[in-house]
Amino acid sequence: DAGVTQSPTHLIKTRGQQVTLRCSPKSGHDTVSWYQQALGQGPQFIFQYYEEEERQRGNFPDRFSGHQFPNYSSELNVNALLLGDSALYLCASSLEDDTEAFFGQGTRLTVV
Amino acid sequence: GQNIDQPTEMTATEGAIVQINCTYQTSGFNGLFWYQQHAGEAPTFLSYNVLDGLEEKGRFSSFLSRSKGYSYLLLKELQMKDSASYLCAVRDGGYQKVTFGTGTKLQVIP
Repeated sequence: DAGVTQSPTHLIKTRGQQVTLRCSPKSGHDTVSWYQQALGQGPQFIFQYYEEEERQRGNFPDRFSGHQFPNYSSELNVNALLLGDSALYLCASSLEDDTEAFFGQGTRLTVV
Repeated sequence: GQNIDQPTEMTATEGAIVQINCTYQTSGFNGLFWYQQHAGEAPTFLSYNVLDGLEEKGRFSSFLSRSKGYSYLLLKELQMKDSASYLCAVRDGGYQKVTFGTGTKLQVIP
């Protein structure tokens, strides 16, 4: 079992550009949540996907959008990148009714 | 909304016991998690409490008091590898949305 995998591991983008991050959940998991973790902070909830729909959303602007595919994998898209979007982006997968979420290793995004 | 407070940093000695506290305010409590995160790595699940009381799992134990909005993580027989950030997180309402605290950075010294 490969666990939760994210790609790419590191990424450098220029302010104003757009970025797509990808996540493959742990085998058998149907729910994917995305988090943003700034340096020295705890992860901040962006949104959660279940059955290909956004089910819950945190306090993030519409520049942050996502998608879940029939195989439960997910993408996080960020438009019009700002310097403040530089962070570690974490994906967590779980079963809908399960308590334990498994995190991927994250994508380190740097906006310059 | 939610508010989660935990100490920023703690230092403890190898072999000792350390308690990391977490207080929270939430409108619809539905469980509290503790995660461990080593520098540069993903958080890993340690424990989940939804009812009052103590949950023990090896060297780690987690306690919850819902009426007080309080939890602690107890680490026994500290090892150098326990040096990490410990994240308290609260689930508010249904599904898997959790709100994390800023984490407690624990340093274990010889």
